[in-house]
Amino acid sequence: GAGVSQTPSNKVTEKGKYVELRCDPISGHTALYWYRQSLGQGPEFLIYFQGTGAADDSGLPNDRFFAVRPEGSVSTLKIQRTERGDSAVYLCASSLKAPGEALWTDTQYFGPGTRLTVL
Amino acid sequence: GQSLEQPSEVTAVEGAIVQINCTYQTSGFYGLSWYQQHDGGAPTFLSYNALDGLEETGRFSSFLSRSDSYGYLLLQELQMKDSASYFCAVSYNTDKLIFGTGTRLQVFP
Repeated sequence: GAGVSQTPSNKVTEKGKYVELRCDPISGHTALYWYRQSLGQGPEFLIYFQGTGAADDSGLPNDRFFAVRPEGSVSTLKIQRTERGDSAVYLCASSLKAPGEALWTDTQYFGPGTRLTVL
Repeated sequence: GQSLEQPSEVTAVEGAIVQINCTYQTSGFYGLSWYQQHDGGAPTFLSYNALDGLEETGRFSSFLSRSDSYGYLLLQELQMKDSASYFCAVSYNTDKLIFGTGTRLQVFP
């Protein structure tokens, strides 16, 4: 079966613009995660969805960042008024983790990421 | 805050054994995972430890000591394709993984 896919693979935008990054999780995976990875760093947690709802958005850096998952499958990460510091690879991951199950009971499968460059 | 420490770089030759250490903060700890990431690629899951001891999966093994807040990834019979970055990641009593800064492994012929 298909893995996690993300589009676009690369996005170049200008400071102040709005961008949307899309994630298609593995079919049937109820849990979806967004991470941000800067060069030479590990992935940094942004937000976690269980089904359609954001179960934990504590990693979103500020209110310019927002994510949705309206039908419990595809998710979109939205960034308003982009800044140069937003440049990074945005990674999406999905898992079969059920509500209430401990995070560590299931493997997260990562997509290839979207490389965002803000000029 | 919650932080992990791992070496920034490790080098070894083909066929050798290498150990990548990871130390973490204890409060709320659930388990330690290891992920591999090739340049430009996605992180891929290697192993998970929730209890003390050694978990073996082929050439890769992972160890955890909860009392020492320490774990390691052991790679045996190194191959050129093992050249990649390796991340330890900790699950605390929340629904998110906290990743280390990664260890870049370079395998030489």
